[in-house]
Amino acid sequence: GAVVSQHPSWVICKSGTSVKIECRSLDFQATTMFWYRQFPKQSLMLMATSNEGSKATYEQGVEKDKFLINHASLTLSTLTVTSAHPEDSSFYICSASSDRGSPGELFFGEGSRLTVL
Amino acid sequence: AQSVTQPDIHITVSEGASLELRCNYSYGATPYLFWYVQSPGQGLQLLLKYFSGDTLVQGIKGFEAEFKRSQSSFNLRKPSVHWSDAAEYFCAVGAGNTGFQKLVFGTGTRLLVSP
Repeated sequence: GAVVSQHPSWVICKSGTSVKIECRSLDFQATTMFWYRQFPKQSLMLMATSNEGSKATYEQGVEKDKFLINHASLTLSTLTVTSAHPEDSSFYICSASSDRGSPGELFFGEGSRLTVL
Repeated sequence: AQSVTQPDIHITVSEGASLELRCNYSYGATPYLFWYVQSPGQGLQLLLKYFSGDTLVQGIKGFEAEFKRSQSSFNLRKPSVHWSDAAEYFCAVGAGNTGFQKLVFGTGTRLLVSP
């Protein structure tokens, strides 16, 4: 299969600071990546669809100015949580599709746990 | 709007016993249905999927799932559980006209395997 990697795996930051999370496709090119957010004991919620070379498409209720997504290359998408607050603490996961997989299969990163103090 | 319900938050099964994880979905048209597994420290991995055709689908690691339209269900089964199957399992439905790329997930079921 294809490999998607996220960095950092977990991060702790102070309230008011910004945090950047990277999502990389290690062995394939991903024109589209997806960002999710997962609260404890809850499902993964799609936040946005990241398209290489264009603006991300955000799901309803997701603040685009709070969660900045950049997909500058075919192997890297970044999620920046700006002016983070404790309520932004969560598990953030990215995924991408690859022609190496079966139709409809998505490949997921390991996730990044953000804790805002 | 699409939704997925996994009624069991966690399930404990003895090693060697059979397993069934429940999943119910809500979707107006023919759904694209998936089961993913997440082991600690790893990303979600696709176990199997249903798009159309045979309602009993086989997946990796000996898992299978059956699509039952009348019950809006897509339960995951395995005849004999191994200790390495302990993980979090997510059922998902493909949403909207993007079909299988924009997924709506259930809350997950954590499987514990006892000796």
